[in-house]
Amino acid sequence: DVKVTQSSRYLVKRTGEKVFLECVQDMDHENMFWYRQDPGLGLRLIYFSYDVKMKEKGDIPEGYSVSREKKERFSLILESASTNQTSMYLCAISQGFREKLFFGSGTQLSVL
Amino acid sequence: AQKITQTQPGMFVQEKEAVTLDCTYDTSDPSYGLFWYKQPSSGEMIFLIYQGSYDQQNATEGRYSLNFQKARKSANLVISASQLGDSAMYFCAMGGDNQGGKLIFGQGTELSVKP
Repeated sequence: DVKVTQSSRYLVKRTGEKVFLECVQDMDHENMFWYRQDPGLGLRLIYFSYDVKMKEKGDIPEGYSVSREKKERFSLILESASTNQTSMYLCAISQGFREKLFFGSGTQLSVL
Repeated sequence: AQKITQTQPGMFVQEKEAVTLDCTYDTSDPSYGLFWYKQPSSGEMIFLIYQGSYDQQNATEGRYSLNFQKARKSANLVISASQLGDSAMYFCAMGGDNQGGKLIFGQGTELSVKP
């Protein structure tokens, strides 16, 4: 079974804090993705990575950065959390082009 | 630019009946794939079915089938014999060969199955 582990299921942070969301996979997949999910908007891509130390911006990268120092780990960083970043964050992995995504269980982040 | 549209925010269906969830898309990629995911209240994203743009036949997986109409750019999900456990959010997604493996998602449809 594919395992994509997100470090926290629920997280509460204060405005201005630096926030780290961690994602770890056990499948040796090349591609890793961070999405955020908001009601009525579906899933929107924040950042993705095809390889170690490689990253590309998705559709809504503002206010976020990422880090991929090891193949199995992809971190999403909120440099200075704001209330409009309150959302469900989903990490996903895939093997290649047009391949299905495997998702983690998500992190519900609340920024107060 | 790629776009996925799901125009039904919410739908109801009677148990044991069939239901169709709509999805239309737009892309300039000559080759692409279409996906459907289910998200129950637990929050996990469950892959249901995949259709490649050059596949000749519509995809089927158990009670799920994908009604793919390329000329109309639609990829509707058909669930036959609905069950109470089918109540969930359903997302349509697309990935093109020129999009580097990323998928874009529609807004989702919330399906409620009535006993």
